[in-house]
Amino acid sequence: EDQVTQSPEALRLQEGESSSLNCSYTVSGLRGLFWYRQDPGKGPEFLFTLYSAGEEKEKERLKATLTKKESFLHITAPKPEDSATYLCAAQGGSEKLVFGKGTKLTVNP
Amino acid sequence: NAGVTQTPKFQVLKTGQSMTLQCAQDMNHEYMSWYRQDPGMGLRLIHYSVGAGITDQGEVPNGYNVSRSTTEDFPLRLLSAAPSQTSVYFCASRSGADTQYFGPGTRLTVL
Repeated sequence: EDQVTQSPEALRLQEGESSSLNCSYTVSGLRGLFWYRQDPGKGPEFLFTLYSAGEEKEKERLKATLTKKESFLHITAPKPEDSATYLCAAQGGSEKLVFGKGTKLTVNP
Repeated sequence: NAGVTQTPKFQVLKTGQSMTLQCAQDMNHEYMSWYRQDPGMGLRLIHYSVGAGITDQGEVPNGYNVSRSTTEDFPLRLLSAAPSQTSVYFCASRSGADTQYFGPGTRLTVL
């Protein structure tokens, strides 16, 4: 059965304190690994898609990386507006996306 | 493009009532899906469709019906609402293995 596990469940950082969020996946025939950001009361907002091990993508203070078992979302010098829940999802051989439970990030000024 | 739209934004039902949550997309995506999101449970797939006239069950389909008569629309029906269906519901669409886009959500309370 396809599974996605995110850690930690919650993370508190000081503004400027870099860190990483982890997404471990067990998916047969990975077709895509997706990162989303979700603000309270809103739908998930797309951030990145990674398709193969070794691939990296960047957007402002965020960088996503992918290995054969894990993906990391690196946050460099975060700001309070980066506070949100970050979701990871994987698509294997089926049409379905399997989501992790998310990491709630809080960045204090 | 409006993307993925959902109506209503909020809804309160009494146990046993029925209702339909509407979802529409204007991106000509063949794949559409419905999720519910509950605290500590993450996003769970209810039903999905790979094209007009084709639907299938996800992880938590009981108590929900769907149909897909057009590419654009994918309504979710609650035939007899139960308190356990209190949740936030998200509709999503995508094309193939490309990015999946989500709607803004419907917050449903069943009393």
